[in-house]
Amino acid sequence: DTAVSQTPKYLVTQMGNDKSIKCEQNLGHDTMYWYKQDSKKFLKIMFSYNNKELIINETVPNRFSPKSPDKAHLNLHINSLELGDSAVYFCASSQDRGQGATEAFFGQGTRLTVV
Amino acid sequence: AQSVSQHNHHVILSEAASLELGCNYSYGGTVNLFWYVQYPGQHLQLLLKYFSGDPLVKGIKGFEAEFIKSKFSFNLRKPSVQWSDTAEYFCAAFSNSGYALNFGKGTSLLVTP
Repeated sequence: DTAVSQTPKYLVTQMGNDKSIKCEQNLGHDTMYWYKQDSKKFLKIMFSYNNKELIINETVPNRFSPKSPDKAHLNLHINSLELGDSAVYFCASSQDRGQGATEAFFGQGTRLTVV
Repeated sequence: AQSVSQHNHHVILSEAASLELGCNYSYGGTVNLFWYVQYPGQHLQLLLKYFSGDPLVKGIKGFEAEFIKSKFSFNLRKPSVQWSDTAEYFCAAFSNSGYALNFGKGTSLLVTP
């Protein structure tokens, strides 16, 4: 019973295409995130949502648009894909406990390759 | 700015050697600290966490970490590594807002038989 699930696991697409990655968590958490892991393994936060509201939007091109239809889902849509978007994208969730969040649980990742 | 830094980017050890990976953070106030591990081709898994209390934290697979507030450090240790410990190790801390988990740049550990 996967806690944080992402689909698809692999995504190969051509430059200029539009694609979406879906994320769902069944932990009852109120905060969800998208992270990008580059080829050097560096993990950088892209977006953070709390109770469906956007809290953090790092300096990410506006071709990236997150959508949270409810607390359990946070999808990532990417327009006009570029070669530099190739990376592994991780979804995560955590629970705000008032004095900071609990640990974050991560999905399996989506390896995006733009050709 | 709130940040997490890891000192060692690549570490190579022989099996049974002891491990210590350094992590420093630059946060004021309450800080929640974590070590995550990423085995090749897999997602991040939590090794251990520190919120408050005993500064010596024990995690899974024989790992432990010590929180030293005066040094802003949270170093990861294991007395005797195994080949299966080959992985990327990430130190992380939640921002004071609690809505961003900031990671260090990671340490790639290779354990040779």
